[in-house]
Amino acid sequence: SAVISQKPSRDICQRGTSLTIQCQVDSQVTMMFWYRQQPGQSLTLIATANQGSEATYESGFVIDKFPISRPNLTFSTLTVSNMSPEDSSIYLCSISGGRLLSDTQYFGPGTRLTVL
Amino acid sequence: GNSVTQMEGPVTLSEEAFLTINCTYTATGYPSLFWYVQYPGEGLQLLLKATKADDKGSNKGFEATYRKETTSFHLEKGSVQVSDSAVYFCALSDSRNTGNQFYFGTGTSLTVIP
Repeated sequence: SAVISQKPSRDICQRGTSLTIQCQVDSQVTMMFWYRQQPGQSLTLIATANQGSEATYESGFVIDKFPISRPNLTFSTLTVSNMSPEDSSIYLCSISGGRLLSDTQYFGPGTRLTVL
Repeated sequence: GNSVTQMEGPVTLSEEAFLTINCTYTATGYPSLFWYVQYPGEGLQLLLKATKADDKGSNKGFEATYRKETTSFHLEKGSVQVSDSAVYFCALSDSRNTGNQFYFGTGTSLTVIP
């Protein structure tokens, strides 16, 4: 399977600031996704990052709060804007397709965000 | 619609005990089924998968069988180790009907004590 890295691995941020999380894959993949995992909870899909076009957001998530970029088939960013303590979560990117099986998702190590 | 219902935890077992974590699903089509594992402080790792009825996925001593008649995909291991302590997520993907949308269960936390 592909190697997925995320930066930063963790961060502590102040209320009202923004943080951009990077997801880098070592090979081209068709699909990239961003998930949120709130403390003690399961995963919630934020959006599908589309290469060359706007991301597709799930219900309850909006572009102004979670802008996403995907400039090529190996890289994506998620920004958490105007943060509040409720945004404290683990943010995970996942991938599928390309040389990988299209029905299976592989996850990055996650970014642990704490908002004070 | 599609959904996954997973046995609630936390589960605490002694080393070498038998493990079962129940997972049932609802799907409109013919989903693929997955178990992911999340070790403390890490992201999710694919543990095993099955893509059609009666398939058995297996890895690291864990097994799960895709049972269409009972819409289940229970995770089992005959003898757990302390290193198996983690959170386990059941998930389904119905790529023919809902693209790459994944549906996750709520996760089951397992602690194995020596």
